Amino acid sequence: QKEVEQNSGPLSVPEGAIASLNCTYSDRGSQSFFWYRQYSGKSPELIMSIYSNGDKEDGRFTAQLNKASQYVSLLIRDSQPSDSATYLCAVKSSGNTGKLIFGQGTTLQVKP
Amino acid sequence: DTEVTQTPKHLVMGMTNKKSLKCEQHMGHRAMYWYKQKAKKPPELMFVYSYEKLSINESVPSRFSPECPNSSLLNLHLHALQPEDSALYLCASSQMGGGLGSPLHFGNGTRLTVT
Repeated sequence: QKEVEQNSGPLSVPEGAIASLNCTYSDRGSQSFFWYRQYSGKSPELIMSIYSNGDKEDGRFTAQLNKASQYVSLLIRDSQPSDSATYLCAVKSSGNTGKLIFGQGTTLQVKP
Repeated sequence: DTEVTQTPKHLVMGMTNKKSLKCEQHMGHRAMYWYKQKAKKPPELMFVYSYEKLSINESVPSRFSPECPNSSLLNLHLHALQPEDSALYLCASSQMGGGLGSPLHFGNGTRLTVT
């Protein structure tokens, strides 16, 4: 079982729709969760951090965390073609190293 | 614009060359990282420096040699690389301490091609 799992996609949504990106993780002791956006050929850009169960909203983005289910998601409202990118879920592992474990990423395509 | 600056943006080197990648941050972060990313794959951790000391080496071949001269600078020295080492090399930094993990802030990366 991979430590952080994401559906690689591509996930295709029409412009203006809600895009829902999902991620599961195996380390039950993890406390810190991040979503990065990566455009083709560019570096990852942090878009959301979440540490507590529930929802966290920032503009058109909402991160959701459920530690009991070991599940974290990202909702993008009013999707725009400029949102087309790969979205990486990252989980900081418990223990001394605190390594950041990335999922494989989900490619999102927003069609005009 | 990213607050982590990497140079050069692109590098082409032969297998017998020696080159260095450079990274600089001025956010006061005390943890710095090197990642390697191949196409359509997630970033793969190579090294972590905490308070200028190497804390994690993910069994990286010795042809990659990291160096942290001070809290703002991170170098990656390259020698005798192989074509399969061609990738995007990412530097990142983060705060240290606290009960919760601080996010990593990535530089724009160096696109390395080994011929």
